[in-house]
Amino acid sequence: VHLVESGGGLVKPGGSLRLSCAASGFTFRTFGMNWVRQAPGKGLEWVAVISYDGSNKLYADSIKGRITVSRDNAKNFLYLQMSSLTAEDTAMYYCARDYSPFMFPAFYFDYWGQGALVTVSS
Amino acid sequence: QSALTQPASVSGSPGQSITVSCTGTSSDVGGYNYVSWYQQHPGKAPKLIIYDVSRRPSGVSTRFSGSKSGNTASLTISGLQAEDEADYYCSSYTSTSPYVFGTGTKVTVL
Repeated sequence: VHLVESGGGLVKPGGSLRLSCAASGFTFRTFGMNWVRQAPGKGLEWVAVISYDGSNKLYADSIKGRITVSRDNAKNFLYLQMSSLTAEDTAMYYCARDYSPFMFPAFYFDYWGQGALVTVSS
Repeated sequence: QSALTQPASVSGSPGQSITVSCTGTSSDVGGYNYVSWYQQHPGKAPKLIIYDVSRRPSGVSTRFSGSKSGNTASLTISGLQAEDEADYYCSSYTSTSPYVFGTGTKVTVL
């Protein structure tokens, strides 16, 4: 199982960014996927989950309305579209696989990528 | 949804046992047996080490064990080793979020 995030970088306050997560080594279309973020020196914060087929999505209240999670099962990619970014969104963003296939929610995250760093600053 | 409460740091000598607590409410830890623990070494991604309160994924050392009583879950590391020095996070399913993590605990091997 291999998860590789990309799309991070420096963005100005109020700006937008789309993160991608390339998945390989497993049957992507059968597992729900999550985004979890970690601000510098801080703890983990769950951000969003999307079901294996993309039909169900849930978001953390702290960021709901400013993000959209999506996936392309034909290309084995997970995405996170973020908008109206503030300094509080500065964090490492990890994509993480659900522990069990076909479940929603699946309660645990068994494989994680190495993260994409998003820095929001003027 | 507020983060679950963990001690900021716990330390122990090699070979000792330590316990990390994780306190929530009846809406998360106390209400469901969907508690998990993650180990994170500096600069690395988290790793799942306990799920369903006390179950270990394949390949995780038997030195790691989990339990729960009421609104508090616990992670015990037995026979502490230098490689166990890391940050540890609990997580629980919640009635609202659906997931919440703990504040994190830095485990130091003296």
